[in-house]
Amino acid sequence: SAVISQKPSRDICQRGTSLTIQCQVDSQVTMMFWYRQQPGQSLTLIATANQGSEATYESGFVIDKFPISRPNLTFSTLTVSNMSPEDSSIYLCSVEPTGAGELFFGEGSRLTVL
Amino acid sequence: AQSVSQHNHHVILSEAASLELGCNYSYGGTVNLFWYVQYPGQHLQLLLKYFSGDPLVKGIKGFEAEFIKSKFSFNLRKPSVQWSDTAEYFCAVSPSGTYKYIFGTGTRLKVLA
Repeated sequence: SAVISQKPSRDICQRGTSLTIQCQVDSQVTMMFWYRQQPGQSLTLIATANQGSEATYESGFVIDKFPISRPNLTFSTLTVSNMSPEDSSIYLCSVEPTGAGELFFGEGSRLTVL
Repeated sequence: AQSVSQHNHHVILSEAASLELGCNYSYGGTVNLFWYVQYPGQHLQLLLKYFSGDPLVKGIKGFEAEFIKSKFSFNLRKPSVQWSDTAEYFCAVSPSGTYKYIFGTGTRLKVLA
């Protein structure tokens, strides 16, 4: 299993600013995933973060908008840049420990952009 | 494109009623199937999963799900719900051999005491 902590749990931000979300895992994992959950919609994968390499982004998401860091095997950050109200969402950090066969999630970071 | 459909967005039941939440997916290959639950104020957690074998899978808290390959379905059931089952339920599919998970839009279940 894995226990994941995310910070902040929620924030209210002004349009045009940037916010960095932190994700800490209690064990070493190869891949970490960042999801977005917009109101009334399903979880959408933003990118996959591997330690020591650039993140892999899904269609519709770009590094300039969602830069990701993965400095070690237990930590990652996601930045939401130049925010607009459309970025208001819950952002979720997730991992699949080797052999687990399932995803573990953090509590999520609820972001509101005014 | 791969997708997961959950037909019921909101369900309201009285305690002791039976529950069935529908989940259908579109993908031609072999998949692993999941139901996740999110209780109020808590993080998403796994309810049950299916990889292979018996298509009737039992999970935590009395939940079960049945994989019907011919129907591309993985419906969640519970014979008698409790107030504590109030939560949001997500169906997810992961093509075998990949790390990709495709989630449905979720079903909000409210159980009345």
